[in-house]
Amino acid sequence: DTAVSQTPKYLVTQMGNDKSIKCEQNLGHDTMYWYKQDSKKFLKIMFSYNNKELIINETVPNRFSPKSPDKAHLNLHINSLELGDSAVYFCASSPSPGTSGDQYFGPGTRLLVL
Amino acid sequence: GQNIDQPTEMTATEGAIVQINCTYQTSGFNGLFWYQQHAGEAPTFLSYNVLDGLEEKGRFSSFLSRSKGYSYLLLKELQMKDSASYLCAVRDRNSNSGYALNFGKGTSLLVTP
Repeated sequence: DTAVSQTPKYLVTQMGNDKSIKCEQNLGHDTMYWYKQDSKKFLKIMFSYNNKELIINETVPNRFSPKSPDKAHLNLHINSLELGDSAVYFCASSPSPGTSGDQYFGPGTRLLVL
Repeated sequence: GQNIDQPTEMTATEGAIVQINCTYQTSGFNGLFWYQQHAGEAPTFLSYNVLDGLEEKGRFSSFLSRSKGYSYLLLKELQMKDSASYLCAVRDRNSNSGYALNFGKGTSLLVTP
C-alpha cells in the first residue's frame, strides 16, 4: 500500500490557469507538508499543517493555498499559474512534531507551466 | 533559516568508501537528517541524528557534532545503485516553518566502475 500518494503525477498547463494537486497519507501521521523542488534540485518547504494549524513559509506567494479536508489529506491549490511555478511539488507527512519521526515523501507532481 | 552547506558533486569508485560532509547553522537544533534521492524519484530517508556521535545502519553511517554544526554521511562498499543525490536536512524548533525540514542543496554522487 502506498504511504503517501499524490495526484496527478504530471501536470502541464497554461500560464494564468488555476490548478490543484491532491495528497493523501495512510500512515496516521499528524503533520503534512508541501515542498517545492526547483530545476536546480533545491528542495524547499512551502507549508506545514498540523492539527489545523497552518504554518506558511513567508516566501510563498499567496497564489498558493493548502487545504486540508481531514487529517489524511492536504491539497495544494495554485491560482494564476506563472512560468516560474514550474517545478516538482512533493507532499510529505510525519508523526507528531518534535518526535524523531522522519518524513515520508510522496512520489512528486511534475508541474510544467507553458 | 539555516545555512546548510554540502559539496555539489562527488565521484567515487565502486567498492570504495565515500564521506559526504554537511555543515549547518541553526538557532534551535532539533535533529539532522540524511535523505537519498534518485533522479526522478522522491527523497527517501537514510538516517537521523539528534545526539552527538555515530549512527550506523548497514553500509551507511551518519555522524553528528552539534558544537561544530557538522555532520557527515559515510557510505561503504559503494555500489553503482548508490549514484544519487544525498540531501542533508536540519529540523529547527525555532523555525518559522514549524517542524518542517530545511534542506541543503544536495550532493550529487556518481559511482564509477
